[in-house]
Amino acid sequence: DTGVSQNPRHKITKRGQNVTFRCDPISEHNRLYWYRQTLGQGPEFLTYFQNEAQLEKSRLLSDRFSAERPKGSFSTLEIQRTEQGDSAMYLCASSAGQGTNTFGSGTRLTVV
Amino acid sequence: AQSVTQLDSHVSVSEGTPVLLRCNYSSSYSPSLFWYVQHPNKGLQLLLKYTSAATLVKGINGFEAEFKKSETSFHLTKPSAHMSDAAEYFCVVSPWAGSYQLTFGKGTKLSVIP
Repeated sequence: DTGVSQNPRHKITKRGQNVTFRCDPISEHNRLYWYRQTLGQGPEFLTYFQNEAQLEKSRLLSDRFSAERPKGSFSTLEIQRTEQGDSAMYLCASSAGQGTNTFGSGTRLTVV
Repeated sequence: AQSVTQLDSHVSVSEGTPVLLRCNYSSSYSPSLFWYVQHPNKGLQLLLKYTSAATLVKGINGFEAEFKKSETSFHLTKPSAHMSDAAEYFCVVSPWAGSYQLTFGKGTKLSVIP
């Protein structure tokens, strides 16, 4: 499968715990994006990488959130001290330069 | 600034009848516009995109959309609905082709009645 891969598919965590999600983009894609989708809403942009550089962060990305793309390949999104409001689907997408985004299937986070 | 309004949160059609999903946009630029589809437990799939070429855009699975600048609309249509079309559809705007700044609408859930 040469699409965008996200792991895990589902994550249930207790409030206050830290969680980390992984995204493996299409190998030749230099751009990588993270979005958050809550119930009944469209995805909202969180952050954007070009190669290993994080070029843009949304104001939605509080200081409890951190994203990395250390070698310009896979990326991780970490949420510290999770809150119930963090429950959402976290989507990753990648593109080759200014090409169209290809989305992964997402990681569904439930904070209990 | 840019925004997208999907005028219907839920549309229900009978199999074999036409589909119309409505989208209005607002953008300070000459935008690019997209329609994505999301099936349950699947990733978002691109149906079609408009990037300032022909105003009538044909996409996959028989869908098409027409860019109307005067009406700031980008409605999605299909002549005949199939059961497999049942899904959530998102209209998306970006300020220019290749921008990372995608703004999604809230989505329209399409139900297809046998």
